[in-house]
Amino acid sequence: DAGITQSPRHKVTETGTPVTLRCHQTENHRYMYWYRQDPGHGLRLIHYSYGVKDTDKGEVSDGYSVSRSKTEDFLLTLESATSSQTSVYFCAISEGQGASEQPQHFGDGTRLSIL
Amino acid sequence: EDKVVQSPLSLVVHEGDTVTLNCSYEVTNFRSLLWYKQEKKAPTFLFMLTSSGIEKKSGRLSSILDKKELFSILNITATQTGDSAVYLCAVARGSTLGRLYFGRGTQLTVWP
Repeated sequence: DAGITQSPRHKVTETGTPVTLRCHQTENHRYMYWYRQDPGHGLRLIHYSYGVKDTDKGEVSDGYSVSRSKTEDFLLTLESATSSQTSVYFCAISEGQGASEQPQHFGDGTRLSIL
Repeated sequence: EDKVVQSPLSLVVHEGDTVTLNCSYEVTNFRSLLWYKQEKKAPTFLFMLTSSGIEKKSGRLSSILDKKELFSILNITATQTGDSAVYLCAVARGSTLGRLYFGRGTQLTVWP
């Protein structure tokens, strides 16, 4: 298995509270990604990173921010959680060179419920 | 707008059957197409197909890419109950730092 750890694995919180999800990798891969998975939508990209302090938005980035201060950690923050952000969140990583030609490998996901 | 469409959305078969899953795409600057298998947790990588590798095979699973007609198929022969999963198709574009665009997936159920 790719060395990817997501934490927490499950979280229940209330609308309006801040939430931070962590993705930790031991592979020293350059590229890291955050996706959400919802019924009827498949996996959708939230944000991604192509190096320390280098991040960019994906297709569903509204309401989310990210940070990457170390190669191994990529944090996803919901500044003020809303019920529409209830989802399963997956982190993925891929190797450095020619990212489009390297498969992404996924963590086990975080199930987030916002009441 | 870029699109990745998988069909069927769900499929129920009996052990020993052969199944074909479809993935069509409309993306600009196509780079590669990937297949993943998702059981209860993380999607796990199956195949990557590119211009230099349009056919892949691993055991009972095989996949081809038709770049002219813009689709891919994933074949599973002699299905087993352990093949029950959601199969995801994703496409990478050449200019987007490895970002993947996913289809909605095909839910395959294999009955004993």
